[in-house]
Amino acid sequence: DAGVIQSPRHEVTEMGQEVTLRCKPISGHDYLFWYRQTMMRGLELLIYFNNNVPIDDSGMPEDRFSAKMPNASFSTLKIQPSEPRDSAVYFCASSLKGQGGEKLFFGSGTQLSVL
Amino acid sequence: EDQVTQSPEALRLQEGESSSLNCSYTVSGLRGLFWYRQDPGKGPEFLFTLYSAGEEKEKERLKATLTKKESFLHITAPKPEDSATYLCALNRDDKIIFGKGTRLHILP
Repeated sequence: DAGVIQSPRHEVTEMGQEVTLRCKPISGHDYLFWYRQTMMRGLELLIYFNNNVPIDDSGMPEDRFSAKMPNASFSTLKIQPSEPRDSAVYFCASSLKGQGGEKLFFGSGTQLSVL
Repeated sequence: EDQVTQSPEALRLQEGESSSLNCSYTVSGLRGLFWYRQDPGKGPEFLFTLYSAGEEKEKERLKATLTKKESFLHITAPKPEDSATYLCALNRDDKIIFGKGTRLHILP
């Protein structure tokens, strides 16, 4: 299994531009999580899905952030418009409930820089 | 509010010098406490799950223990390759909440 795949690995954009981050979870996993990591705030949960349905988006900082999971093998996190304070590493993780559902498998992350 | 607090923020040890990392937590109804390891430029990697006070788990030079208020990650005779950030997390209604981590550096 290739593990959780995220793209792009690095994204540099200008303030006000739209940013789309992509994630392919491990096949067969039924939970998908989006996290944001900064030095100041650590690893913050933004939103998570169960069987493609958003369960809790209370961590999404503002309406500028949105996430979708159109099928079991793909999810996106979109920021529109982006701001410099959105600069962080964004991680996607997946897990399988019933086999230690809390054992998350993380992707390598997307390093986002908003200038 | 449920919280996970890790200490120290950073720790430098000589190779072979054993120590412990601390994770203090407050949660109404613990459904699992977890330890992850994160290397620079990579996502966290799962190490252990602990469910009840008194439980212990071991893997190579690492041993995790759990009480009703804290968890410890003991590292015995560490090697330079054990250098990483160690993250503690807890399960809150299927939401996995992380602490800010301890950056561990083992000097050869």
